Amino acid sequence: AQRVTQPEKLLSVFKGAPVELKCNYSYSGSPELFWYVQYSRQRLQLLLRHISRESIKGFTADLNKGETSFHLKKPFAQEEDSAMYYCALSGGDDKIIFGKGTRLHILP
Amino acid sequence: DTAVSQTPKYLVTQMGNDKSIKCEQNLGHDTMYWYKQDSKKFLKIMFSYNNKELIINETVPNRFSPKSPDKAHLNLHINSLELGDSAVYFCASSQPPGAPYFGPGTRLTVT
Repeated sequence: AQRVTQPEKLLSVFKGAPVELKCNYSYSGSPELFWYVQYSRQRLQLLLRHISRESIKGFTADLNKGETSFHLKKPFAQEEDSAMYYCALSGGDDKIIFGKGTRLHILP
Repeated sequence: DTAVSQTPKYLVTQMGNDKSIKCEQNLGHDTMYWYKQDSKKFLKIMFSYNNKELIINETVPNRFSPKSPDKAHLNLHINSLELGDSAVYFCASSQPPGAPYFGPGTRLTVT
């Protein structure tokens, strides 16, 4: 069964410190993985996807098939990064499964 | 030129009422979804349609009935509203294997 696990409900990080939001997945095939960000009371926005291997707003994520992880990283946190972050998985069957989300709080 | 739009943005209604939420996308995507985001911010897929056909129905009570008149629209009708239906409902669309593009959400409050 497809499953996405984000172990941290809340992550507080000081401004300028590195950020790592954890995501682990369970899927028997070759999944496609995404990170979405949701700023307060706004729609979910795609942050990045593993196949594009790009960096958006300074965030990167690498798919580690051995560890079944897709952690989101940023070297230096900024106050505007405070938001909810969701890891999501697609098994190619039009079903996109989301993790429970991690609230990132950047401390001044 | 909004890509995925939903109406209404806010909906406050009493228990037992029937209500509808409309969704339209102008991205030319084949697949549309409804997701429910509860008070704990958990996001759960409810339905998925591909070219007007129901693909996924995730153990949602049959009080919820999606309708797709064409591939650009996916509406959600809810009968006999209950307190537990209070949530934010997000419509999304995608062109698989692309990532879903989300609408702004409809905040439903049942009193």
